[in-house]
Amino acid sequence: LAKTTQPISMDSYEGQEVNITCSHNNIATNDYITWYQQFPSQGPRFIIQGYKTKVTNEVASLFIPADRKSSTLSLPRVSLSDTAVYYCLVGVGSSNTGKLIFGQGTTLQVKP
Amino acid sequence: GAVVSQHPSRVICKSGTSVKIECRSLDFQATTMFWYRQFPKKSLMLMATSNEGSKATYEQGVEKDKFLINHASLTLSTLTVTSAHPEDSSFYICSAVNPDRGSHSYEQYFGPGTRLTVT
Repeated sequence: LAKTTQPISMDSYEGQEVNITCSHNNIATNDYITWYQQFPSQGPRFIIQGYKTKVTNEVASLFIPADRKSSTLSLPRVSLSDTAVYYCLVGVGSSNTGKLIFGQGTTLQVKP
Repeated sequence: GAVVSQHPSRVICKSGTSVKIECRSLDFQATTMFWYRQFPKKSLMLMATSNEGSKATYEQGVEKDKFLINHASLTLSTLTVTSAHPEDSSFYICSAVNPDRGSHSYEQYFGPGTRLTVT
């Protein structure tokens, strides 16, 4: 499984756009990029997944350059409730049985 | 979205006793579930893959005799921490895969976690 590297922590203010970049230099051809969010004392929650270019849903956008060696999670207009740990994961194999290996994650602190 | 529950949410037990944690997928059948543990301010560490009707697959360094996993039905997996010791105190989280999600979906549904404290 490809190793991911992301900033340990980030600070932002309410209403700002937050971009969290993840490096995955050894990503394989079959790998998808997935982001999860975790609040304290809760299980993680799936945010978004992508393979290339741009993916957008009601929560976030995911930008993936052509070489796919990195990806950027974009959270528009964050609020205090977006304070959480964000994990970038790269998975391979059968998605229905593929295990997820979590890296250190990025702790996002949103300030008023 | 899909719901995965865990029971209990918190448990305190004495050293040497065993504790069972249940993980249930409430609105879909999960042939595969995963168990993680998480220490304070640390990331999740995958412990094992729980397969319905077969033996669990443990990650390297996880004692299978210590952490017994049973996946007897398509909606229930259990993790039993046997002869618990204070160092087993942790946050245990399960996740389940919905097989109807599609071949390239990495969306897993996580339970709310179980806080185990061994005194």
